[in-house]
Amino acid sequence: GIQVEQSPPDLILQEGANSTLRCNFSDSVNNLQWFHQNPWGQLINLFYIPSGTKQNGRLSATTVATERYSLLYISSSQTTDSGVYFCAVGAQKLVFGQGTRLTINP
Amino acid sequence: KAGVTQTPRYLIKTRGQQVTLSCSPISGHRSVSWYQQTPGQGLQFLFEYFSETQRNKGNFPGRFSGRQFSNSRSEMNVSTLELGDSALYLCASGSLAGGTDTQYFGPGTRLTVL
Repeated sequence: GIQVEQSPPDLILQEGANSTLRCNFSDSVNNLQWFHQNPWGQLINLFYIPSGTKQNGRLSATTVATERYSLLYISSSQTTDSGVYFCAVGAQKLVFGQGTRLTINP
Repeated sequence: KAGVTQTPRYLIKTRGQQVTLSCSPISGHRSVSWYQQTPGQGLQFLFEYFSETQRNKGNFPGRFSGRQFSNSRSEMNVSTLELGDSALYLCASGSLAGGTDTQYFGPGTRLTVL
């Protein structure tokens, strides 16, 4: 089955810093999404991005499907950005990475 | 548009009991997928239903089952509960079969098995 690796596993930054989260996957997919899991456990959809680049405010994402990786950029981090970020890929179901735990300190 | 809803939000059961969880997708969505999240295994796919038919199933024992009704609401049942079934159960809704479009997740049901 598809393997998904996220890096780094943990990231600690100061407020205002920029960050890049990476997702590598092992096979061709027709779905790739980035999620932020809030403290109550709900997965908040950030981007649906099987290929190309998208931006939403301080967040942007790029997927290079031919090289099987995706990047999530967070600029000017705020404490509310803290949490776990998941990349999920799939063709018939979503396979999740282990997540990146982001901590933004004031 | 209302989001995905799951009931109940919290549940405590004892070993050997059975449990039924419910998921109502976004209006108009016909695909419902279920996922289990545990600290050790992370997020794992359980099954997907589309138009009342199970289209895909993950690697879980037969104690885990589900169904989908004509209004697209879905239920998941776990029989003969084990301690290891303690987890956050999440459902996702989408408009296309096979989870190939944007998946929207509900708030989850946190199940504790004592």
